[in-house]
Parts: sequence; C-alpha cells; structure tokens
Amino acid sequence: GAVVSQHPSRVICKSGTSVKIECRSLDFQATTMFWYRQFPKQSLMLMATSNEGSKATYEQGVEKDKFLINHASLTLSTLTVTSAHPEDSSFYICSARGARGLSYEQYFGPGTRLTVT
Amino acid sequence: ELKVEQNPLFLSMQEGKNYTIYCNYSTTSDRLYWYRQDPGKSLESLFVLLSNGAVKQEGRLMASLDTKARLSTLHITAAVHDLSATYFCAPTSGYALNFGKGTSLLVTP
Repeated sequence: GAVVSQHPSRVICKSGTSVKIECRSLDFQATTMFWYRQFPKQSLMLMATSNEGSKATYEQGVEKDKFLINHASLTLSTLTVTSAHPEDSSFYICSARGARGLSYEQYFGPGTRLTVT
Repeated sequence: ELKVEQNPLFLSMQEGKNYTIYCNYSTTSDRLYWYRQDPGKSLESLFVLLSNGAVKQEGRLMASLDTKARLSTLHITAAVHDLSATYFCAPTSGYALNFGKGTSLLVTP
C-alpha cells in the first residue's frame, strides 16, 4: 500500500514553454502533498506544500508564479513549470501524506527528470 | 529553522568493514527518518525513529536516535557493494522533512 506515482518520469522541453508534472496517490487519500527539487549531487529542497482544496504554501525563494501547484483532489497534485528555462532543469520529486493511520509518513513518488533545452 | 548536518558527505569503504554516518540537527524534532537514494532514483525509506534511545536494524544497517544530543547515527556493518548509494537523514519539524546534504557511500571490493 501507500504508492505514489508521478507522470511523466522524464520530460524534455524547449526554453519558454510550460510543462506539467502530475503526482498521484494510488491507494490512499493524500491530504497533503509536497514538492521537492533536487539538483545533481545535492540534497532535496522543499519547494512547496499543498493541501487539498487550498492554495499551496511556498518555501522562501520559490517563485509561486513560476511553479504553479494545484491540489484539486485527494489523490492528485500537479506542478506546472511555466516559461521554463535551462536553470529549471532538475529532478522533481513529490511526496504525499495521508490521513488517519498514515499521518506520520510521507510517501515519495519516483521523480520526474526535467530537461529544458 | 531546523538545520541538519550530516557527515561524512563522501565515504569510500571496503567490503566487510564497518562505519557510522552521523546526523546532527539543531532544534527539537519529533521524529527522524533515514532514506536511501540510488542514482537517478527517488527515495527509499529505511527507518523512522520516534523517540529517544530508539534503535532500529534492518540487515547490515542500524539506526539510532539520541534526542538529547540531537544526534542520529546510521551504522553499517560488514559493508557489501549493494549498499553503495546516497543516504539522507531527515528530522522533522511539524510535517516537514528537513534533509541533510546526504552521504554518498561507495563500497569497494
């Protein structure tokens, strides 16, 4: 149980375009989802926290207009990178925290590798 | 802000040897996680430590937590090549995970 999927696993886009990444909890309802970014050989950096039905909370230094997060249902959150630039190339990982009984755990998705050319 | 210091950042060890990775953190935390990450992959949860003195073991890995010292350790016993990976500790603040910089472990014959 507690499986989180991400789609796509890899995406290459051209500079200036937008790309959407989906994060789904497959077998549980995720009241909170987290989005992380990881540059090569570095640690995970929390970008934002989203609760179902409400606006995401962004970490300091993360542009909310550039990284649009929508948590429209208890099983789906999306991250849209708008007007992507090469410096946005990174590994994006989501995690989901469920309600009742799963409240201590964050379950991580497999990640999405974004390359902006 | 909870700060996490993990050391060493890089570790090359021979198969069969023992070693310990240290994770220090700056303020009180409810629980602490250890994760493994293989190249190009996401995180795999290894341990969650919930209380002072907690010790958990899985195979050749053993994790411990000293909340008074704000220190967790990940001990590797008789390392094998399959343990080569990056290991992260992550104490929590509220629901947020605060990741250390990671320890890149390479086990050589």
